[in-house]
Amino acid sequence: DVKVTQSSRYLVKRTGEKVFLECVQDMDHENMFWYRQDPGLGLRLIYFSYDVKMKEKGDIPEGYSVSREKKERFSLILESASTNQTSMYLCASSLLGWEQYFGPGTRLTVT
Amino acid sequence: GQQVMQIPQYQHVQEGEDFTTYCNSSTTLSNIQWYKQRPGGHPVFLIQLVKSGEVKKQKRLTFQFGEAKKNSSLHITATQTTDVGTYFCAVDSGGSNYKLTFGKGTLLTVNP
Repeated sequence: DVKVTQSSRYLVKRTGEKVFLECVQDMDHENMFWYRQDPGLGLRLIYFSYDVKMKEKGDIPEGYSVSREKKERFSLILESASTNQTSMYLCASSLLGWEQYFGPGTRLTVT
Repeated sequence: GQQVMQIPQYQHVQEGEDFTTYCNSSTTLSNIQWYKQRPGGHPVFLIQLVKSGEVKKQKRLTFQFGEAKKNSSLHITATQTTDVGTYFCAVDSGGSNYKLTFGKGTLLTVNP
């Protein structure tokens, strides 16, 4: 079975802090994705990566950056956390055009 | 990018009743995927439809892709409490980079 793990289920940070969210997949997938999920807004793509060191902006990249130094690991970075970044963050991976496998999510609260 | 409208936003049914959610696009889709997210869980892939007019079944779930490949539906026959969750459709955002655009989802609640 494909397994996608995220570093934390719950995280509380203060405004202005730098926040790292880590995601690891064990199926050698090329593509990895970061989404945020908010009530009424569904899943919105922040960034995705289609290869090591390759990345593309999604629909809402402002305030975020990403890093993919190894194929199995994709990190989301909040350079200076703000309260409007309080959300559920979901990582996913996929093999080319096929289904996406999601991690359990990280619920981030910025106070 | 690709846009997809999903309706209804919410649906509450009595156990045993049927349920349908719809996804509509103004443009022709190359394919469409369906996901289910249980309360407190993460989205889980259900199925992918590729061909015009395609119909696929998974037990009580029936998935259809429209003839024009602009719409799709997920129908659940005789709902059970285990069907509770949010159902999302997702479409290829376009280009060759395998991004998906998700519908906003339909939250299904089932009264036992």
